[in-house]
Formats: sequence, C-alpha cells, structure tokens
Amino acid sequence: RKEVEQDPGPFNVPEGATVAFNCTYSNSASQSFFWYRQDCRKEPKLLMSVYSSGNEDGRFTAQLNRASQYISLLIRDSKLSDSATYLCVGRPHYGQNFVFGPGTRLSVLP
Amino acid sequence: NAGVTQTPKFQVLKTGQSMTLQCAQDMNHNSMYWYRQDPGMGLRLIYYSASEGTTDKGEVPNGYNVSRLNKREFSLRLESAAPSQTSVYFCASSGDGLEPQHFGDGTRLSIL
Repeated sequence: RKEVEQDPGPFNVPEGATVAFNCTYSNSASQSFFWYRQDCRKEPKLLMSVYSSGNEDGRFTAQLNRASQYISLLIRDSKLSDSATYLCVGRPHYGQNFVFGPGTRLSVLP
Repeated sequence: NAGVTQTPKFQVLKTGQSMTLQCAQDMNHNSMYWYRQDPGMGLRLIYYSASEGTTDKGEVPNGYNVSRLNKREFSLRLESAAPSQTSVYFCASSGDGLEPQHFGDGTRLSIL
C-alpha cells in the first residue's frame, strides 16, 4: 500500500460546481499535510497547509481526520483556472521526507 | 522575493555529456531536495540534504551526484547523461518542523 493515496480522477466538472478530493495516508506519525496544485509541466505550488482539524481559504477548505487517517480538499464555485493536478503531501516529522500522493487531475469545463 | 531559483531553465545535451543543475534558496531553510518528474508521472526524489554538509539518497539516485555547497545552494550533477534522464527537474527547500516545501520553477532537460 502506498503511503499517501488519492482519488485517481480525472474529475471533469462544470464551472461553478463543488468538487471534493480525498486523500488517505498510512503513516500515523505524519504530523502535517499540504495540498499543492500543479499545472502541466510547472512546479507544484502550495495551496494549503493542514496541521490540525482543517483549514479554509476562500473557496478552498481542507479537513483532516487523524483517527481515520484521511484528508479532504473541497473546492466551491469552481473556476476554469482551477483546472490542474492536486497533490496531497504528508510530512511525518522533522528528519523524514515529504511523501507525495500521485495527484488527482481536475478539469473545470465551461 | 526570489524563493527557490533554478538554473538553467532549459538544456539540451548529447548522450555522455555532463552538466550541473544549480539551485539556490534565500529562505534560510535547512533542507533542500532534488526531484525529477517524467511526463504524466509523479515527483520522484533523487537526493536530499537535511542540513549543510549532509546529503542522502532518495528514491532514484543512480546516475546523479549532489553537492550542498553551503546553506543556500544545492547542485545536481549528471556525470554522463543518458536519454533516460530526460525529464523536468525540480529543486525544493523546506524549513524545520511542520513547514511545507517550496519549489523552484524547474529545469527542462532533454538528452539526445
């Protein structure tokens, strides 16, 4: 089993839709989590950090459930510019490396 | 704010040539990383450096060497380039504790 798993996608949604991505992790020692977005052949860009139960930033909400070892990302009122691959990343604790999920591809359609 | 700077942005090499990819960060981060990403694939860790003076192998280190020149700079060297090393290379850095990684904008490397 991979350390971080994500919905395989792709997700094709109409503009204005609400979409949710799921991510599960196997290392219970993971301390912090991050959602990155990556556009085609560009660098991953940090979208949100998730340290406690969750985080919200505008149209984006992340939730963390440590008991179930599960993180989610909710995007409300999808925009065309939200089309990208979304990466779920875990960081166990200092000294251990970041673990990347395979990514979920989102296409927001006009 | 520069963040993580990679040079060059593009490079074409012939098989057997050598080259060094440069990376510098201005965030005073202890940890630095080199990843490669092949088309349609995820990031794979080549080497990392948890602090100045230390380097460790990642998932795919064969064919590469690294140097942590100082706290700011972490270079990746291909001694004898092979077509299988055609990829996009990303450098990243992170602070201590629970902080995220910050990425450079990548080097697109083609080996003919």
